[in-house]
Amino acid sequence: QSALTQPASVSGSPGQSITISCSGSSSDVGSYNVVSWYQQHPGKAPTLIIYEGGKRPSGVSNRFSGSSSGNTASLTISGLQAEDQADYYCCSYGGTFAVFGGGTKLTVL
Amino acid sequence: EVQLVESGGGLVQPGRSLRLSCAASGFTFSTSEMDWVRQAPGKGLEWVSSISSSSTFRYYADSVKGRFTISRDNARTALYLQMNSLRDEDTAVYYCVKESRYRSSWFDSWGLGTLVTVSS
Repeated sequence: QSALTQPASVSGSPGQSITISCSGSSSDVGSYNVVSWYQQHPGKAPTLIIYEGGKRPSGVSNRFSGSSSGNTASLTISGLQAEDQADYYCCSYGGTFAVFGGGTKLTVL
Repeated sequence: EVQLVESGGGLVQPGRSLRLSCAASGFTFSTSEMDWVRQAPGKGLEWVSSISSSSTFRYYADSVKGRFTISRDNARTALYLQMNSLRDEDTAVYYCVKESRYRSSWFDSWGLGTLVTVSS
């Protein structure tokens, strides 16, 4: 149950695109579409923004997209907006237990 | 609308016990798998435990195995987490989470959380 690896922080200017990576192994991230992504604003509960690698729940902006290659999953946010400033967590849950990444703090400059 | 409301958190001494509850509404609780996820102050998310819809399967993180017990009451649409032999490192906000599953699982709804502080 080792944590997935995410960059501690990323930043971007309004209107730009950023990508957050999430690295694991063939038994978690590298498995078929097992990664989900969560957004957490300070003092709030996390919310789901991507599931099964690249699907968006209803109500989530299409500026958020997910993809994967090998043992690395990625979350891309296009057209950055001030409200996107938050912590982002990837999660792999393909079997009997879930493992999260350490989280990435996104700063919108 | 899915609602998950946790309760039972508070200040507890190391070695003591605490029971968390989660009242669920707005979805078919009896057919949903449920989980607990925690977050230590200033830290990231950590999955704690999951329970299948009929309580047949229960899984735990290594960090809590043997000390925590997850359970549910489908008639009351309630989820529980019995925490024994609490340690300082169990201090965290504990979230009740609804799980969705297809080929993999994900957490589609979260409660607001309840804070557990383990300290002497």
